[in-house]
Amino acid sequence: EPEVTQTPSHQVTQMGQEVILRCVPISNHLYFYWYRQILGQKVEFLVSFYNNEISEKSEIFDDQFSVERPDGSNFTLKIRSTKLEDSAMYFCASSLGLANEQFFGPGTRLTVL
Amino acid sequence: QKEVEQNSGPLSVPEGAIASLNCTYSDRGSQSFFWYRQYSGKSPELIMFIYSNGDKEDGRFTAQLNKASQYVSLLIRDSQPSDSATYLCALGDSGTYKYIFGTGTRLKVLA
Repeated sequence: EPEVTQTPSHQVTQMGQEVILRCVPISNHLYFYWYRQILGQKVEFLVSFYNNEISEKSEIFDDQFSVERPDGSNFTLKIRSTKLEDSAMYFCASSLGLANEQFFGPGTRLTVL
Repeated sequence: QKEVEQNSGPLSVPEGAIASLNCTYSDRGSQSFFWYRQYSGKSPELIMFIYSNGDKEDGRFTAQLNKASQYVSLLIRDSQPSDSATYLCALGDSGTYKYIFGTGTRLKVLA
């Protein structure tokens, strides 16, 4: 069964460093998303991406964040200068269409020291 | 601000019983509703989605939607210890791309 994959599973970084989180969405899906979940809190939407551009972003997704689909399979989230409060699980998701259900990857645990 | 409300639990049920998980939402215009299961330290796993008023059954799971009351529920029949997890209610924000999640209800099925 096709699934969303994410790498790395755990990333530790120093405050102020740049990180890139990688995702491979399900191959025939057209819509891609990033969510985050701070420990013990709810899953929060960050950004959606369709047709090689951002379709929607939340207040959390400020200038320190960017997304890219560098090739036909990968979808990345970059945090330019990490802060302590960026420590969270980051989930990539994809859906076939806008009205279709979103499937989540296993997540990347980001720890900012 | 659109909200999804869930009782955080834990909800404890004996093995074999029916577990009933509830969710209310604030946006009357919401059209699509999802139940995800999340084991500790893992990602949300889609269990069911429902778009129309009424019941939708899939195996041991039944989702119920009442748009007039802005209420969606998940029933798990014949609960098993492996069902012990946090159940997240999410709604598809009408006209946008994002899902809005509740905080989840922690379910404990006692053997």
